[in-house]
Amino acid sequence: DAGVIQSPRHEVTEMGQEVTLRCKPISGHNSLFWYRQTMMRGLELLIYFNNNVPIDDSGMPEDRFSAKMPNASFSTLKIQPSEPRDSAVYFCASSLRQSSYNEQFFGPGTRLTVL
Amino acid sequence: QKEVEQNSGPLSVPEGAIASLNCTYSDRVSQSFFWYRQYSGKSPELIMSIYSNGDKEDGRFTAQLNKASQYVSLLIRDSQPSDSATYLCAVKLYSGGGADGLTFGKGTHLIIQP
Repeated sequence: DAGVIQSPRHEVTEMGQEVTLRCKPISGHNSLFWYRQTMMRGLELLIYFNNNVPIDDSGMPEDRFSAKMPNASFSTLKIQPSEPRDSAVYFCASSLRQSSYNEQFFGPGTRLTVL
Repeated sequence: QKEVEQNSGPLSVPEGAIASLNCTYSDRVSQSFFWYRQYSGKSPELIMSIYSNGDKEDGRFTAQLNKASQYVSLLIRDSQPSDSATYLCAVKLYSGGGADGLTFGKGTHLIIQP
């Protein structure tokens, strides 16, 4: 079975440019999470969706960040305009909300570098 | 007080010994607890889940939960060099991270010495 798929795997961009990260959750999963990992702050939840509906975006750092989930198999995280402090690894994770533990499975991540 | 705390390490354990990793959390109402393993440059990989007090065993791994003490641990028996990684403790905090989001500790770096 395919796991969570993310693209691109690496992104290098210049400050001020728009960045779009993409995620395809595990088929059948109905919750999707976006996390960001840095050395300083560790792994932090940005936003999550249940059944394609955004539930909690309190972790989104600024209005420059936005996320969408137009259907059950696709989500995007957009940064516009990007800044050097946005450099991090961005992970997407998915889970089946009805499962006992609501276990989350992570994609391979997108390593973003903003110059 | 930090919500999920782990000793950053590195924790060095000889091959074949038991590695013990610890985690404390701040929210008494937390219900679900997870251990993830993360190799350098890779994504977190779920290795254990636990939500009841006591021990849960899966192969060489044992998760231990004590809700009264707000403490969760991971034991790795017969440690192998391939167990060398960063281990992340994650908690579904009732009061943080949204209803379903996880709050992670910063991880313990484990080194298994051959």
